[in-house]
Amino acid sequence: GEDVEQSLFLSVREGDSSVINCTYTDSSSTYLYWYKQEPGAGLQLLTYIFSNMDMKQDQRLTVLLNKKDKHLSLRIADTQTGDSAIYFCAEASGGSYIPTFGRGTSLIVHP
Amino acid sequence: EADIYQTPRYLVIGTGKKITLECSQTMGHDKMYWYQQDPGMELHLIHYSYGVNSTEKGDLSSESTVSRIRTEHFPLTLESARPSHTSQYLCASKDTHSGNTIYFGEGSWLTVV
Repeated sequence: GEDVEQSLFLSVREGDSSVINCTYTDSSSTYLYWYKQEPGAGLQLLTYIFSNMDMKQDQRLTVLLNKKDKHLSLRIADTQTGDSAIYFCAEASGGSYIPTFGRGTSLIVHP
Repeated sequence: EADIYQTPRYLVIGTGKKITLECSQTMGHDKMYWYQQDPGMELHLIHYSYGVNSTEKGDLSSESTVSRIRTEHFPLTLESARPSHTSQYLCASKDTHSGNTIYFGEGSWLTVV
């Protein structure tokens, strides 16, 4: 079945850029997503990218997709303490497009 | 922003009790989902629905059941709660017109004592 892998933790200093990485195994993945989860809350959609795109930028967020290596990354510019959360990568493919989620990367932003 | 609501947000109940977690969305989405998430862990799909009168089991076996009598409503029921059911339950619905994106509710934290 599909598999989505992420590193579990990332610690950055406030003001620096954060890069959260994700790898997936399904070569037919059509949609790839990044979600943010703050403590005790549901998942908030940050952005998504179609598999025929290489990059998508939305304000401080930049998503890069390397289809050949099945690698997805999320770059957060000028990281703030409010960005501290768990970030989930997800992919969806096939007729049902039911997303498969990674385990999430816990981003810790310190002053 | 998506309009999807879950109640209760937090619940502590005794073993053996019956509980229904409510989920409603006002966007007219046909596809809805229930995920189970233990603290710090990945999401596991436990139920989904393609529309009214459609329910399917997800990847993770669950003792819960769901129903879909109305498009906007997708409740999840545990007939006899056990401590092993302690978890966060996340409801979601899909917008098939915009990147097949899934929007989540705020989650229901269930603790069975």
